[in-house]
Amino acid sequence: GAVVSQHPSRVICKSGTSVKIECRSLDFQATTMFWYRQFPKQSLMLMATSNEGSKATYEQGVEKDKFLINHASLTLSTLTVTSAHPEDSSFYICSVPYRANEQFFGPGTRLTVL
Amino acid sequence: RKEVEQDPGPFNVPEGATVAFNCTYSNSASQSFFWYRQDCRKEPKLLMSVYSSGNEDGRFTAQLNRASQYISLLIRDSKLSDSATYLCVVNNFFGNEKLTFGTGTRLTIIP
Repeated sequence: GAVVSQHPSRVICKSGTSVKIECRSLDFQATTMFWYRQFPKQSLMLMATSNEGSKATYEQGVEKDKFLINHASLTLSTLTVTSAHPEDSSFYICSVPYRANEQFFGPGTRLTVL
Repeated sequence: RKEVEQDPGPFNVPEGATVAFNCTYSNSASQSFFWYRQDCRKEPKLLMSVYSSGNEDGRFTAQLNRASQYISLLIRDSKLSDSATYLCVVNNFFGNEKLTFGTGTRLTIIP
């Protein structure tokens, strides 16, 4: 089956710094990847759709200037949390559509902003 | 109203028992339905898709009731390894891979 990796798995940073998270599709090329965020005891919330060769599509309420997405290649999408603040502390997960109605998720990145 | 609603639990069930979860969705045009499993601090993993005719995979049975807009998951002969959070997931647009997740139902199997 498809494998999706994320890096880093965990990051702790000071308030005001920017954090870059990478999502890689290891087995196949993906023109689309998804970025989710999950707060404790809450559901995964779709933040944005990363599109190779074009701008990302953001969900309502997600600030595109704060969460920068770059789909650099058919196997790599990056999410940069700019000027992170404690309220941005969360579990960030990417997913890659594999075939009809099936997605594989990366292992997630746990961000803690002090 | 949330698009996908689940009883958050927790459900504490003795090993070997049968447990059932329900989930309701608000969009009558929803096309595809899934159950995912998420272990603590891990990513979700697909457990099974849910079809109108109902489907079974070993000890797991999923049912879909489109008229009432609810989905169920039945786990028979529960194992300790079944302890996890079970996420009800809906895809609202055929061909569009966007998924909407419920908050999950937490299950703990007790020895």
